[in-house]
Amino acid sequence: SYELTQPPSVSVSPGQTARITCSGDALPKKYAYWYQQKSGQAPVLVIYEDSKRPSGIPERFSGSSSGTMATLTISGAQVEDEADYYCYSTDSSGNAVFGGGTQLTVL
Amino acid sequence: QITLKESGPTLVKPTQTLTLTCTFSGFSLSTSGVGVGWIRQPPGKALEWLALIYWDDDKRYSPSLKSRLTITKDTSKNQVVLTMTNMDPVDTATYYCAHFLYSSKGYYFDYWGQGTLVTVSS
Repeated sequence: SYELTQPPSVSVSPGQTARITCSGDALPKKYAYWYQQKSGQAPVLVIYEDSKRPSGIPERFSGSSSGTMATLTISGAQVEDEADYYCYSTDSSGNAVFGGGTQLTVL
Repeated sequence: QITLKESGPTLVKPTQTLTLTCTFSGFSLSTSGVGVGWIRQPPGKALEWLALIYWDDDKRYSPSLKSRLTITKDTSKNQVVLTMTNMDPVDTATYYCAHFLYSSKGYYFDYWGQGTLVTVSS
């Protein structure tokens, strides 16, 4: 089955740039999406179609995708950005797939 | 404003069938390009997609759970129902429903319900 691979954890100091990667064989042909999930809350879409930011998402969140890897970048990470981040895409059969999640620590 | 809310039992016994209802507002499931999906998350674990239903009643299921899942919609009631048979303690999770948008390179979930925790235990 198709998999999206993320690092389990990323840690940065406040104000630094956090980068979370997601690798998947179908990413050259499929969009990548990113969700932020804070403890006890439902996921929130922070990046769609590789690099677009939904209304209300701070500009410090950006996304990119090249080849088989997508990247979520948080420029000037804030303490409130501490959360689990999930990449998401679809496979060639039209099935939805989530990555394993990355725990971002900002301290 | 799009909102979704999950409802159903909080506790089911092993081997029982789980029935969850997603009641939504702010969109119509008869509108081209939209749909509703179900995603679950075991405590402390990652998100797992379960099923989705398109505006035209096309359906998709997670290959690993396909034999146990059924998804249906009632457009007039603005509801989507998910049933999962033969529940097991490993199915203990928070179950979310979510609105999705279809695009040429896939689809994605943009609005989520608050989730409902389902515990499987005798």
